[in-house]
Amino acid sequence: GENVEQHPSTLSVQEGDSAVIKCTYSDSASNYFPWYKQELGKGPQLIIDIRSNVGEKKDQRIAVTLNKTAKHFSLHITETQPEDSAVYFCAAIPYSGGGADGLTFGKGTHLIIQP
Amino acid sequence: NAGVTQTPKFQVLKTGQSMTLQCAQDMNHNSMYWYRQDPGMGLRLIYYSASEGTTDKGEVPNGYNVSRLNKREFSLRLESAAPSQTSVYFCASSGAIGLSTDTQYFGPGTRLTVL
Repeated sequence: GENVEQHPSTLSVQEGDSAVIKCTYSDSASNYFPWYKQELGKGPQLIIDIRSNVGEKKDQRIAVTLNKTAKHFSLHITETQPEDSAVYFCAAIPYSGGGADGLTFGKGTHLIIQP
Repeated sequence: NAGVTQTPKFQVLKTGQSMTLQCAQDMNHNSMYWYRQDPGMGLRLIYYSASEGTTDKGEVPNGYNVSRLNKREFSLRLESAAPSQTSVYFCASSGAIGLSTDTQYFGPGTRLTVL
């Protein structure tokens, strides 16, 4: 099965600086890579995702890059703000045709934005 | 449009007691999922249902049963609760068309403590 490693487990950055979170995956069949943000006491919320047919995707201050050869993908947050403080999870899933399958998650990164 | 709803929000059980966690979605999604989240472990898939009438085991199914009651509802049952099942449980749903790469939307979670 799939295994997803996520680093770092905790990341502290100054407000306005950039933050980068990295994930690696083991199953070369995986082709969908979402990132979720989880605030205290809430469920995970999708913030951006990428499919294997593209190498980079951007949405305002958030971007994700994918290197299928190396089997790693990264989340980049620029101009960080206090509301970016949360736990971020990467995940991976292989395409399974007409069915559905669960996500395999990394263990999470606690992002702390220092004022 | 409430998205994914879960009941109850909190529950305390004694070892050996049983209970059912309820989940409902109003997005006309085909696929539904149950995950558990433990400190430092990320989210792990318990069971999923690709479509009404089907269920499949995920990574950690032991000690749980599920029922896909109809397209909207997917319940998780603990027949004889154990302290190891103390966790936060999340329900998710995805896909009007049931593909594994559809975005999964999460509910707010049920925090369960087993004494």
